[in-house]
Amino acid sequence: KQEVTQIPAALSVPEGENLVLNCSFTDSAIYNLQWFRQDPGKGLTSLLLIQSSQREQTSGRLNASLDKSSGRSTLYIAASQPGDSATYLCAAGDNAGNMLTFGGGTRLMVKP
Amino acid sequence: NAGVTQTPKFQVLKTGQSMTLQCAQDMNHEYMSWYRQDPGMGLRLIHYSVGAGITDQGEVPNGYNVSRSTTEDFPLRLLSAAPSQTSVYFCASSMGVMRNEQYFGPGTRLTVT
Repeated sequence: KQEVTQIPAALSVPEGENLVLNCSFTDSAIYNLQWFRQDPGKGLTSLLLIQSSQREQTSGRLNASLDKSSGRSTLYIAASQPGDSATYLCAAGDNAGNMLTFGGGTRLMVKP
Repeated sequence: NAGVTQTPKFQVLKTGQSMTLQCAQDMNHEYMSWYRQDPGMGLRLIHYSVGAGITDQGEVPNGYNVSRSTTEDFPLRLLSAAPSQTSVYFCASSMGVMRNEQYFGPGTRLTVT
């Protein structure tokens, strides 16, 4: 059974800092790896989707990498802003492409 | 496009009552799914559907039923509510079988007393 872990559970940084969020998964036979953002009381918004054949994806100040062999993905946020404050979740898609297994999330606070 | 819509936003049930959580999408997405989110547990998949007339179980299906009679709608039925089903429920959809990004609804907060 796939297990996805995100460390740390919470992170507080000053505005302008570059930061890395970590995601690890136990079964490397994944279809894809997705990163989501969740604001308090809201649904999830997809940030980046990395297919199993890809190594990284970029969108604006966000860059996500995937290393299947080590069971790890990272989300890099450049020049963080208070508006980046949210919970970030990663999710691994199973090899059949039918199910997502989510990590517990990292709650990020960017202080002005 | 309205995207993925869920109703109701909040619901309080008594133990043993039944209800249906509604989910609809207007993006002609084939894949739809239901998750529950609990503190410290992350999101867990309840049921999913890869197209009209096709449904399958996820990680935590017990106590829930689904059907998919149309591409647009994917209702989740609680047969006999239990306090353990107190949670926030999210519906999601995507084009194709998860080859594309998932779109999530705003959620339904359910409390079972």
